[in-house]
Amino acid sequence: QVQLVQSGGEVKKPGASVKVSCKASGYTFSIYGITWVRQAPGQGLEWMGWISVHNGNTDYAQKFQGRVNMTTDTSTSTAYMDLRSLRPDDSGVYYCARVRWGKSDFWGQGTLITVSS
Amino acid sequence: DIVMTQSPDSLAVSLGERATINCKSSQSVLYSSNNENYLAWFQKKPGQPPKLLLYWASTRESGVPDRFSGSGSGTDFTLTISSLQAEDVAVYYCQQYYSIPHTFGQGTNLEIK
Repeated sequence: QVQLVQSGGEVKKPGASVKVSCKASGYTFSIYGITWVRQAPGQGLEWMGWISVHNGNTDYAQKFQGRVNMTTDTSTSTAYMDLRSLRPDDSGVYYCARVRWGKSDFWGQGTLITVSS
Repeated sequence: DIVMTQSPDSLAVSLGERATINCKSSQSVLYSSNNENYLAWFQKKPGQPPKLLLYWASTRESGVPDRFSGSGSGTDFTLTISSLQAEDVAVYYCQQYYSIPHTFGQGTNLEIK
C-alpha cells in the first residue's frame, strides 16, 4: 500500500535550518511528484511548493523563494524539504504528499516544527 | 496568485441533514483544452493529514462515501454532503491546481448542530 512516512518533529532556534524527510513506499516513486504543505497553529493549509521526482524540476510559492529547497533521492525513494532562516512564524506542521496532475492523493503523517528561542 | 475564498467560514448542520460549502476562485480554473476544472476538496481533522475527497471538481476519490459530491465550473464550486454523519465533523478546504502556487481556501469548519 502507498505510504509516505515523515521524519520526527524538531525544535529549532530562529535563524536555523530544518530538513524534513518523506520516505515513500508502495508505488513507483519516479512517476509522481511530491508537494509540501504546511499548517501553522490555528491556521489553514498553505502550499509551499512541489518537486518533480522524474526530472527534479521545482516550483515554490513566492513566499518561500530563496529560503526553501526541495530535493529527492530516488535511490531511497525519499523526498526532502529544507527550510532556512527559520522564524517563529515558521512553526507548524509540515506535510508531504504524492502529487500527479496536481492531485495530491496520499499524504505523510506530518512533521511538527517548532521555532523558538 | 489565484485567491480561493470559501463560504461560510463555519457551518453547523444537524445529523442527517445536507451540508453545503462554497468555494470561489479569483480566476477561472477551467482548462479549456481538456474541459477539466483544476479544483480539489480536502477534509482535515485535528492530528490527521488532509484527506483528498474530490478532484477535477467532481470526481470522487477512491473510498470516499458517495454522500460527498462536488459541482461547479469556472470560478464557482460547491461541496455537498448529502446526509451529515458524525464522522464528517472536520475543516474542509478547496484547492486550485490550475496554476502555481496551488492555493487553498481559508477552510470551512463543519460542526454538528
